[in-house]
Amino acid sequence: EAGVTQSPTHLIKTRGQQATLRCSPISGHTSVYWYQQALGLGLQFLLWYDEGEERNRGNFPPRFSGRQFPNYSSELNVNALELEDSALYLCASDRSGGARETQYFGPGTRLLVL
Amino acid sequence: KQEVTQIPAALSVPEGENLVLNCSFTDSAIYNLQWFRQDPGKGLTSLLLIQSSQREQTSGRLNASLDKSSGRSTLYIAASQPGDSATYLCAVITSGTYKYIFGTGTRLKVLA
Repeated sequence: EAGVTQSPTHLIKTRGQQATLRCSPISGHTSVYWYQQALGLGLQFLLWYDEGEERNRGNFPPRFSGRQFPNYSSELNVNALELEDSALYLCASDRSGGARETQYFGPGTRLLVL
Repeated sequence: KQEVTQIPAALSVPEGENLVLNCSFTDSAIYNLQWFRQDPGKGLTSLLLIQSSQREQTSGRLNASLDKSSGRSTLYIAASQPGDSATYLCAVITSGTYKYIFGTGTRLKVLA
């Protein structure tokens, strides 16, 4: 069974540009979660999508947005990039969004903003 | 607001030692607690998941315990090996949120 996949693995952008990150969940999983791991700040919850809808959002500005497609894959968009957006972005999935399930993580996309 | 703390921040031990990593959380109303390892530049690998009704889980050389009332969990690693070197993260899901709150991790180095 394939795990959670993310693309691209690395992304370099300049300040003010937009970045798009993609995630494909494990087959059969309907929930996708996005996390940001910035240097020195630890893993922070960004967004949760389930059945195509945004269910929960972390403490991030509106320029962080995303969507979930009918096949349950997801995109994270970051507009008006700032230097401090440089981080590892991790995507996770689980079967139902229920708290009793373990979340499975992808390898991440490393975003560098210059 | 749930806060998760891990102590120590870094640990260096000789191969073969048994060791304990600590995780504490401020809100005891949790659904579950999970331990992960993260290798440099990589994503997370799930190690153990403890449901709120459980007190411990074991997998191989790993044992994780949960004491909800005191807001603590420990990860016990027996007979440590150099391959155990990684950052260990604990994360909790607080009731009603369905999202993980992560600790800042313990960076473990096992010396050969």
